[in-house]
Amino acid sequence: LAKTTQPISMDSYEGQEVNITCSHNNIATNDYITWYQQFPSQGPRFIIQGYKTKVTNEVASLFIPADRKSSTLSLPRVSLSDTAVYYCLVAMNSGGYQKVTFGTGTKLQVIP
Amino acid sequence: GAVVSQHPSRVICKSGTSVKIECRSLDFQATTMFWYRQFPKQSLMLMATSNEGSKATYEQGVEKDKFLINHASLTLSTLTVTSAHPEDSSFYICSVPGLPRGLVKNIQYFGAGTRLSVL
Repeated sequence: LAKTTQPISMDSYEGQEVNITCSHNNIATNDYITWYQQFPSQGPRFIIQGYKTKVTNEVASLFIPADRKSSTLSLPRVSLSDTAVYYCLVAMNSGGYQKVTFGTGTKLQVIP
Repeated sequence: GAVVSQHPSRVICKSGTSVKIECRSLDFQATTMFWYRQFPKQSLMLMATSNEGSKATYEQGVEKDKFLINHASLTLSTLTVTSAHPEDSSFYICSVPGLPRGLVKNIQYFGAGTRLSVL
């Protein structure tokens, strides 16, 4: 299982764009990059997933360079409700049945 | 709506008692479910893989006799913390692997978690 490295914490003011970068130097060819969000005392929630280049959905964008050794989660115009821990995971495309390893995650604190 | 239902959300028990936590897959059948434990200000740690109709697979360092897992049906897995002690106090979370949907693969749907406090 590929190991991931993220900043432990980040602060941002409301309304700003936040970029959280994850390093995964040992990513394998079949690995996908998935980001989850976790609020206190709740289970993680899927945010976005990508394999290469750029992926965008209604809540975030994911940028993946050509070498795929890192990825950046971009949250546009954050609000106080975006305060949470964000986890970057790398796992194979195997229909969901592969166990995954959570790294430390990035605790994002949005400031009014 | 919720894909995974986890119950109870919070348990407070005396030392030495056993506690059962249920994890139900609401939207689809799941031959595999995962159980995690999370201590305060720490990341999720995978405890075991629950397999329908067969024995669970435990991660290194997790006592299988302490944390009993039963996956008797395709929609229900249970985790029983036997003879709980204060050091077992933690946040327990289950997850159900999601079916591939379009370009999205290999994601997990998590339960809301169970906060266990052992006095």
